[in-house]
Amino acid sequence: GQQVMQIPQYQHVQEGEDFTTYCNSSTTLSNIQWYKQRPGGHPVFLIQLVKSGEVKKQKRLTFQFGEAKKNSSLHITATQTTDVGTYFCAPVRNTGFQKLVFGTGTRLLVSP
Amino acid sequence: GAGVSQSPSNKVTEKGKDVELRCDPISGHTALYWYRQSLGQGLEFLIYFQGNSAPDKSGLPSDRFSAERTGGSVSTLTIQRTQQEDSAVYLCASSFVGGASSYEQYFGPGTRLTVT
Repeated sequence: GQQVMQIPQYQHVQEGEDFTTYCNSSTTLSNIQWYKQRPGGHPVFLIQLVKSGEVKKQKRLTFQFGEAKKNSSLHITATQTTDVGTYFCAPVRNTGFQKLVFGTGTRLLVSP
Repeated sequence: GAGVSQSPSNKVTEKGKDVELRCDPISGHTALYWYRQSLGQGLEFLIYFQGNSAPDKSGLPSDRFSAERTGGSVSTLTIQRTQQEDSAVYLCASSFVGGASSYEQYFGPGTRLTVT
């Protein structure tokens, strides 16, 4: 298929612990986006990374794009119960259409 | 409109019937995607429309699935002779393509299809 692998598939943490999900591609990417889907909801855009080695922060969330533009990570510091959901990476490949295909997702459960 | 809308929100149909799912994208968005999501699973890409270009149909699982986008706006996903394995949430997303902030996808609430 066209999906990109994310690891882990699932993680259960205690509130206050950190969490990281990784997105790996075998091909060089044009850019990469990250989305969050709450249980019962639809995916919501979080951020887009474009430059090699780029690091962006949103409060407790840190997003990183690899130097080779083949992988990316999302790190959450001191998780809260509101972080519960599935996190998807969405690599953009420069195939002419700039089509977005979502990664397999990492489901995060946070216990209080 | 304010966002992407989809109709119906829920659809229950009998095996073998045809169904049509509708998506109204955000005005001005040239790209439109359809995805399928089974319970607890990821997003399965189905089809992608971009402007006046031929759609990318590479994700359609069988020839029972087809989609159209009329006038570069509203899209309809049609599933013929539905099967139980077609049961899922069908999500539509649209995006603006072009410029530094392009490609961010805005999702509709989805249509939950149940085939009995």
